[in-house]
Amino acid sequence: DAGVIQSPRHEVTEMGQEVTLRCKPISGHNSLFWYRQTMMRGLELLIYFNNNVPIDDSGMPEDRFSAKMPNASFSTLKIQPSEPRDSAVYFCASSDGYTGELFFGEGSRLTVL
Amino acid sequence: RKEVEQDPGPFNVPEGATVAFNCTYSNSASQSFFWYRQDCRKEPKLLMSVYSSGNEDGRFTAQLNRASQYISLLIRDSKLSDSATYLCVVKENTNAGKSTFGDGTTLTVKP
Repeated sequence: DAGVIQSPRHEVTEMGQEVTLRCKPISGHNSLFWYRQTMMRGLELLIYFNNNVPIDDSGMPEDRFSAKMPNASFSTLKIQPSEPRDSAVYFCASSDGYTGELFFGEGSRLTVL
Repeated sequence: RKEVEQDPGPFNVPEGATVAFNCTYSNSASQSFFWYRQDCRKEPKLLMSVYSSGNEDGRFTAQLNRASQYISLLIRDSKLSDSATYLCVVKENTNAGKSTFGDGTTLTVKP
């Protein structure tokens, strides 16, 4: 079975550029989560969706960050404009809403120069 | 104060040792509890859920103390392959709802 699929795996960009990260959750899962991981701040929840509807975006750092989930099989996290402090690993995770277990993708490692 | 707090370690132990990790959480309404394992430069993966009565999975034992808002993980007879970061996770409710991760405790098992 396919797990959570994220792209790109690695992205290096320059400050000011737009970054779009993509996620395909596990089929049948109704909850999707975007996390960011850094050495300094650990794993932080940015936003999560339930049945494609954003439920809690209080973790989104600022207006430069936006996330969408147009359908049950796709989500994007966009940063515009990007800044060096956005450098981190961004994980997408999905859940079936019953067991509570989160299934993570392999992450997108973002470096903003 | 963080919602979920863990001793960051690192814990350096010899093979065969028993090691225990602790975690405290601040939200008394939390419903579900988990331990995840994260290997270097990999994604977190579920190690085990934590039940009120305590539960065991092979060499791993998890316990929950709701009154003290405290979770623990015990690893017996540690193996080299147990070297990883262990993340304590607290969830708002049993269905939908967000999961909050601790910063993790790093374990290195040495020969």
